[in-house]
Amino acid sequence: DADVTQTPRNRITKTGKRIMLECSQTKGHDRMYWYRQDPGLGLRLIYYSFDVKDINKGEISDGYSVSRQAQAKFSLSLESAIPNQTALYFCATSDSLTTGTGTYNEQFFGPGTRLTVL
Amino acid sequence: DAKTTQPPSMDCAEGRAANLPCNHSTISGNEYVYWYRQIHSQGPQYIIHGLKNNETNEMASLIITEDRKSSTLILPHATLRDTAVYYCIVRVNSGYSTLTFGKGTMLLVSP
Repeated sequence: DADVTQTPRNRITKTGKRIMLECSQTKGHDRMYWYRQDPGLGLRLIYYSFDVKDINKGEISDGYSVSRQAQAKFSLSLESAIPNQTALYFCATSDSLTTGTGTYNEQFFGPGTRLTVL
Repeated sequence: DAKTTQPPSMDCAEGRAANLPCNHSTISGNEYVYWYRQIHSQGPQYIIHGLKNNETNEMASLIITEDRKSSTLILPHATLRDTAVYYCIVRVNSGYSTLTFGKGTMLLVSP
């Protein structure tokens, strides 16, 4: 979805380096998420933020940190990258909509960042 | 979120209906069934969601059994571009709940 952009799209780095992955959105959504995907597996939630002042750990937050600089920006950092953090990383955004079938938050995903840690 | 069970892979001929099953026998009364799909290494895409009534939109139909323990996503006329991994997810329909992705079903649509 062009409304959610991720930079860089590909990155190769070395063990021990600090890496930052950036996500920007123009959808005006309050909620933003970071996921990682390993080959053959589904996405796993790393961190999520329901508004600028809110940060929550997901299923696999160890080794990662995040920063919500503004409503539109949510960055993921690997303070000291290790090879098992090699994965495809996705950012997503959502709003909260209330309809006749309740409140739901359809998530819109970015194109992904392929990170390789050597 | 409750656990779901999906077949790891399915095949479908182009132009035919693709019926993707999902078991969610431990679903709670306040949990909805969501479907997303992921086309080769792209970000997942929302398809449809429902509680207990059957739902239809421009992409697909969702059939939920009366006991809500299983559901089927139907792509009425599958095309090659529908080849993707399809994820069935159950979650509370709250603005503050998150999605938990399993391994999904790899649907291969062939000419």
